[in-house]
Amino acid sequence: NAGVTQTPKFQVLKTGQSMTLQCAQDMNHEYMSWYRQDPGMGLRLIHYSVGAGITDQGEVPNGYNVSRSTTEDFPLRLLSAAPSQTSVYFCASRGGYNSPLHFGNGTRLTVT
Amino acid sequence: SQQGEEDPQALSIQEGENATMNCSYKTSINNLQWYRQNSGRGLVHLILIRSNEREKHSGRLRVTLDTSKKSSSLLITASRAADTASYFCATVLWGTSGSRLTFGEGTQLTVNP
Repeated sequence: NAGVTQTPKFQVLKTGQSMTLQCAQDMNHEYMSWYRQDPGMGLRLIHYSVGAGITDQGEVPNGYNVSRSTTEDFPLRLLSAAPSQTSVYFCASRGGYNSPLHFGNGTRLTVT
Repeated sequence: SQQGEEDPQALSIQEGENATMNCSYKTSINNLQWYRQNSGRGLVHLILIRSNEREKHSGRLRVTLDTSKKSSSLLITASRAADTASYFCATVLWGTSGSRLTFGEGTQLTVNP
């Protein structure tokens, strides 16, 4: 199994541009989530999904959209990038409630 | 706001020594998890302790949980240079819309050879 795969690994955007961060998992996990990691702030939950067709907001959802059309994929969309969205983004999935999260290797995004 | 707070923020020790990291949290939890992150990589799960457990072991790792004090500790015994990484605790609370993990800011551990 590849686990959780994120693309791209690096991305530079100009303010106002849009883009989609891709996340795919091959473990048949119902739960998928997006976190951003900033220095001194740990990981903060952006959006999560408990199954195909179901999404919900996390702690810092503003400026981001998600959809979950399949169990495998959970893309994160930045509609109009802002410098405050410069961060490292991690996608993670898990099985049951007491199961650990499996993380991708992250996307490092810089918005200029 | 972050649920878990790790202490210390940074820890530097010599190879062979033990490393202890602490995590405090504010609300009730269903379980608490510890993760490790090597530089430039995603987090990797180390150990999960349920709210009704007090201590758990996995290899050189020992985790304790004190729900009355809302705190947990991670002990790494006989540390190695390869243990150099950031360590995060994550609290888990089950709700009507599923379970949510909330991470602390992490402890940066450096093990000097």
